[in-house]
Amino acid sequence: QKEVEQNSGPLSVPEGAIASLNCTYSDRVSQSFFWYRQYSGKSPELIMSIYSNGDKEDGRFTAQLNKASQYVSLLIRDSQPSDSATYLCAVNILTGGGNKLTFGTGTQLKVEL
Amino acid sequence: DGGITQSPKYLFRKEGQNVTLSCEQNLNHDAMYWYRQDPGQGLRLIYYSQIVNDFQKGDIAEGYSVSREKKESFPLTVTSAQKNPTAFYLCASSQGFTVNTEAFFGQGTRLTVV
Repeated sequence: QKEVEQNSGPLSVPEGAIASLNCTYSDRVSQSFFWYRQYSGKSPELIMSIYSNGDKEDGRFTAQLNKASQYVSLLIRDSQPSDSATYLCAVNILTGGGNKLTFGTGTQLKVEL
Repeated sequence: DGGITQSPKYLFRKEGQNVTLSCEQNLNHDAMYWYRQDPGQGLRLIYYSQIVNDFQKGDIAEGYSVSREKKESFPLTVTSAQKNPTAFYLCASSQGFTVNTEAFFGQGTRLTVV
């Protein structure tokens, strides 16, 4: 079982709709969770972090965490064509050697006009 | 400007040669990471380091080596033992010493072996 799993997509949504991206993780001691956006040919940029169960909102983005179900999601409201990118879920685990930050394979989002 | 600098942006090397990718940060971050990304794939962890003179193998360390002699520098050497080194290499850093720290990336180095 992969440590962090995401549906590769592509996920297609019309402009103005809500995009819902999901991620599951296998290690119950995972302690912090991040969503990154990556445009083609570029490096990932951090868009959301979440550390405790529940919802965290930042502008059009909402991250949701459920540690009991080992599930983290990202909602993008009022999706725009500029949101078209690959979204990477990342999970941080504190190991004996330090913070180990592990990524999923990413979900490609396409926002259509 | 504070940030993470990777160099070079593009690198071409002949098969069988070792090559070293540079990663420097001036954010005073303790933790640094190296990832590899293949086309259409996610990021796979090669090595990570929490403090100077200490580093840990990630999920795909074979064929790679690192050093952490200075807090701000974490160079990655791709050795001839790496069977398929052509990829996009990304370096990241975070404050470290607590899990609730966000990691930030450099612009990446695209390595092509010919």
